[in-house]
Amino acid sequence: LAKTTQPISMDSYEGQEVNITCSHNNIATNDYITWYQQFPSQGPRFIIQGYKTKVTNEVASLFIPADRKSSTLSLPRVSLSDTAVYYCLVAPPGSARQLTFGSGTQLTVLP
Amino acid sequence: IAGITQAPTSQILAAGRRMTLRCTQDMRHNAMYWYRQDLGLGLRLIHYSNTAGTTGKGEVPDGYSVSRANTDDFPLTLASAVPSQTSVYFCASSVGIGGAYNEQFFGPGTRLTVL
Repeated sequence: LAKTTQPISMDSYEGQEVNITCSHNNIATNDYITWYQQFPSQGPRFIIQGYKTKVTNEVASLFIPADRKSSTLSLPRVSLSDTAVYYCLVAPPGSARQLTFGSGTQLTVLP
Repeated sequence: IAGITQAPTSQILAAGRRMTLRCTQDMRHNAMYWYRQDLGLGLRLIHYSNTAGTTGKGEVPDGYSVSRANTDDFPLTLASAVPSQTSVYFCASSVGIGGAYNEQFFGPGTRLTVL
């Protein structure tokens, strides 16, 4: 079971790039890394997913080093509306028992 | 496009009562999940279903039961509610389970208070 560790909280200012790192030292060969965003009183929302190297979509980038023991979610030019909790998940195909969200990282974007 | 709907939005329940939380998805996803989220904490998986007709236990299944009679619906039942089941409950669905199919779509949640 790949346990994840994230910082509890981070602060940033509008317009800055924010990088949130998740440690998953015992990640298994088949595990994928997925990041979610959650606003208060809402369910989490999928941001990005990757297996290795770099993945980019319209809202974020995900950097995964060769050893895959960590991953970094990069949010370019954050705005106040990016204030949310961000969760990192690591799980293999077909195994729902290992879907553990952890406590996440509270990102606060300041004006 | 509704995605995932949950009912009720919120509920106050007396301890010992039976309660069923409803969840319906219209995306024809194979997998569905129930999570609970306690104040200030992350989500914990209660039960899941790989596909219609199958269910499995998550991290915190005690006191809860589920059924998956068809693709769209995945009700969660508390047979005899206790105060420790006070929480926000989220239902989710995905094409498959884990790995590359780990993009889950979440419902708006049900806020349950057991007194």
